[in-house]
This record gives sequence, C-alpha cells and structure tokens, in this order.
Amino acid sequence: SQQGEEDPQALSIQEGENATMNCSYKTSINNLQWYRQNSGRGLVHLILIRSNEREKHSGRLRVTLDTSKKSSSLLITASRAADTASYFCATVTNSGYALNFGKGTSLLVTP
Amino acid sequence: NAGVTQTPKFQVLKTGQSMTLQCAQDMNHEYMSWYRQDPGMGLRLIHYSVGAGITDQGEVPNGYNVSRSTTEDFPLRLLSAAPSQTSVYFCASMRSLSDGYTFGSGTRLTVV
Repeated sequence: SQQGEEDPQALSIQEGENATMNCSYKTSINNLQWYRQNSGRGLVHLILIRSNEREKHSGRLRVTLDTSKKSSSLLITASRAADTASYFCATVTNSGYALNFGKGTSLLVTP
Repeated sequence: NAGVTQTPKFQVLKTGQSMTLQCAQDMNHEYMSWYRQDPGMGLRLIHYSVGAGITDQGEVPNGYNVSRSTTEDFPLRLLSAAPSQTSVYFCASMRSLSDGYTFGSGTRLTVV
C-alpha cells in the first residue's frame, strides 16, 4: 500500500500567499522527498530531507520532518502563478531504495 | 546530458497484445524504477533495480516484467495488455540515496 498521504488534497490561494502542504507516512524512513508535477508532465525533484534532519530550506521552499509523528510539511512562501502544480511527498524506507508516493496535493495559485 | 528518456510517449494497444516501454538514462545512475500513475491513486511502484542484473518487485508488479542488462537501460514489458493497464508510466533514476530521483516525461498507454 502507499506509504504517504498528503493533506489537503487540493489548495487554492492567491499570488503572494504562503502554501502549506502536509504529508503523513506509515513506516520508518531513510529520507523523505517532495516532488512537483505540472499538468501532463513528469515529476521534478524539489527537496530531500533525511530522517535525522528536522528542517531544510531551498529558495522559497521550507520542509520540516517530525519522525515521532511520521509527518512532514512543505511550505512555499510568496507563491506565484507558476507554482500551480501537483505536489507529492515520497519516502524511501530503511529497507528499500525506491520511492513510495502519496496521492498528492493539487495547488492552484491565482494571480 | 539527456537525462531519462522514455519511448514511446503515447501508445494504444489492443487487449492481449504485448509491448515494451523503453527507458534509458545517460547519467550512470545505479537505481532505476518504474511507476504507474492513475487518477486519484498517485504513483505506484511497479518494479525497481539497484544495478545491472538486479531487479525487484514493487507494489503492483503483476502483468509486467523488467530486466536490467546494462546500467543505462531498464525496459518494462507488458506481457498481455489488459484495460486495467491503461495508465501513464514513468521511469526514474537516482545516483545514490542522498539524491532525489530524475523522472522521464512519461508514456501514456491506452489499452482497448
């Protein structure tokens, strides 16, 4: 079964606002990754956070990881219309190498 | 570098036909995976490989075969296509566990 679950399933905000997406997972992990998928396109890797890290930043992205709660959040600050996409969290377990995806959050940023 | 190349981009098959989805990467990545993406289901792992000659099953392997004879190529074979295999298929590769995966642009498969 799928490892992660994102929340909310859909999010609609205006340009300039912050967008927060949450992810919960079930088993122990080696790392957790976030990906973006524009409509009809492949997935693009955004950021990876290891199980021994609690927070990571990359440009306008901030990811947190709470292994005790088996959860992560992705914050996109000062959203732009170009951020409109689906966002997926994916975990790599301690016993594997492949990604286990959640069902994604669909983000709509309106001008 | 071309990254991860998937061919074909679109394919229509009749039920019972077989075909191979091609995946090639030029980044010398050891780890490669195949996923299928269905509406409302996210991406599900079909098969993966940690190096040439080594493959393993993912969450939904039935009806699919893979092989990894070289580091560069990781083809996915549909043995006898069924309408339930209508999906978008993504191939991905990764250098190490410290890196993220690089995805191909996908193959949209319809089985009629």
